[in-house]
Amino acid sequence: DSGVTQTPKHLITATGQRVTLRCSPRSGDLSVYWYQQSLDQGLQFLIQYYNGEERAKGNILERFSAQQFPDLHSELNLSSLELGDSALYFCASSRGGGGYTFGSGTRLTVV
Amino acid sequence: GESVGLHLPTLSVQEGDNSIINCAYSNSASDYFIWYKQESGKGPQFIIDIRSNMDKRQGQRVTVLLNKTVKHLSLQIAATQPGDSAVYFCAEKPPLSGNTGKLIFGQGTTLQVKP
Repeated sequence: DSGVTQTPKHLITATGQRVTLRCSPRSGDLSVYWYQQSLDQGLQFLIQYYNGEERAKGNILERFSAQQFPDLHSELNLSSLELGDSALYFCASSRGGGGYTFGSGTRLTVV
Repeated sequence: GESVGLHLPTLSVQEGDNSIINCAYSNSASDYFIWYKQESGKGPQFIIDIRSNMDKRQGQRVTVLLNKTVKHLSLQIAATQPGDSAVYFCAEKPPLSGNTGKLIFGQGTTLQVKP
């Protein structure tokens, strides 16, 4: 157990729908990062939050949004889902610079 | 845009042999590099890191080498074991990322260990 908790582990939904992925960072970590991992794309950075505020943005679609709550957990909202959104979504946390600790991911399948 | 790449998508080695996984990075100003291991069905797991003021760093059975002249990073695994079978990613911290902590990941190399 890495200390980073992601729920749900698996999600199957239809095109056009909206889903919410949840992440609880490791205790004491203020930064949360979201990454998307598709088969041929590796790990693509989506967005980072630090202590409740957006800190950095990557290749995140406008249909996607995220937030970090006062208790530091984070949610990634994916809307108007398309088949191409099917991927593994990882959350990672860190205390500052340096390496991340990743969660075990949410596997999203859009049908 | 910036990218971190790995030279080989798949590496197959015999159990007990040493493994070398390579990575080429594009930005000479990157100052921090990490290797991650991802086993099937799991999230990436930190293996070892190195800062740009170092050429080599050793861990338990793993060594990371950094050659800034040719922008090359390698991960050496000694006495490779079946449990080392996984996908290995290198990652770099791009310049001007400040204190964001944002990392850029390469595509990954699959290490297969033959018994």
